[in-house]
Amino acid sequence: QSALTQPASVSGSPGQSITISCTGTSSDVGSYNLVSWYQQYPGKAPKLMIYEGSKRPSGVSDRFSGSKSGNTASLTISGLQAEDEADYYCCSYAGSSTWVFGGGTKLTVL
Amino acid sequence: EVQLVETGGGLIQPGGSLRISCTASGFTISSNYMSWVRQAPGKGLEWVSVIYSGGSAYYADSVKGRFTISRDNSKNTVYLQMNRLRADDTAVYHCALGYCSSIRCSANAFDIWGQGTMVTVSS
Repeated sequence: QSALTQPASVSGSPGQSITISCTGTSSDVGSYNLVSWYQQYPGKAPKLMIYEGSKRPSGVSDRFSGSKSGNTASLTISGLQAEDEADYYCCSYAGSSTWVFGGGTKLTVL
Repeated sequence: EVQLVETGGGLIQPGGSLRISCTASGFTISSNYMSWVRQAPGKGLEWVSVIYSGGSAYYADSVKGRFTISRDNSKNTVYLQMNRLRADDTAVYHCALGYCSSIRCSANAFDIWGQGTMVTVSS
């Protein structure tokens, strides 16, 4: 149950697109299309943004999209806005009814 | 409104025990997947445990044998009994509801989160 690998930080200017990667192994990300992504503001509870790799819950902006290639999942935010500045976490099913999170990525909107 | 409220956190000495609670409103816990996820101060999220609608329970290796998840359907409350606590168990503990689409519910994404309860393990 080793944590998934995310970049510590990413940044972008308003209107740009950014992508956050989430690298796991063939035992988690690579084996299941069950990656989810969470947005977290300081001192707040996380919010589900993407589930099952690429699906958006009701109410989540279509500027957020998810994808996967091999052992790496990605979250793309298009049309970056100031309100997108937050921490982002990926999570994957890891088999045997266990889940593993990434270390988190701090997104800065310049 | 669907809501989760955690209670029971506090300061506990290493080796001690503590039970934290998560009371749900707006839905029935027995029909859903309920998880605990923790976040150490300044650190990332860590999945801790899940209880399935059928009652099966699973744990992260870091807490297996020390923590027990359970629920009281009459109180619509999920518990996490934590024994043999260590300093590295210090964290905010969130409970989370598994995501339900129009078709089915799943434990594979955490939809509704509580604000969390802080557990500090220190002498």
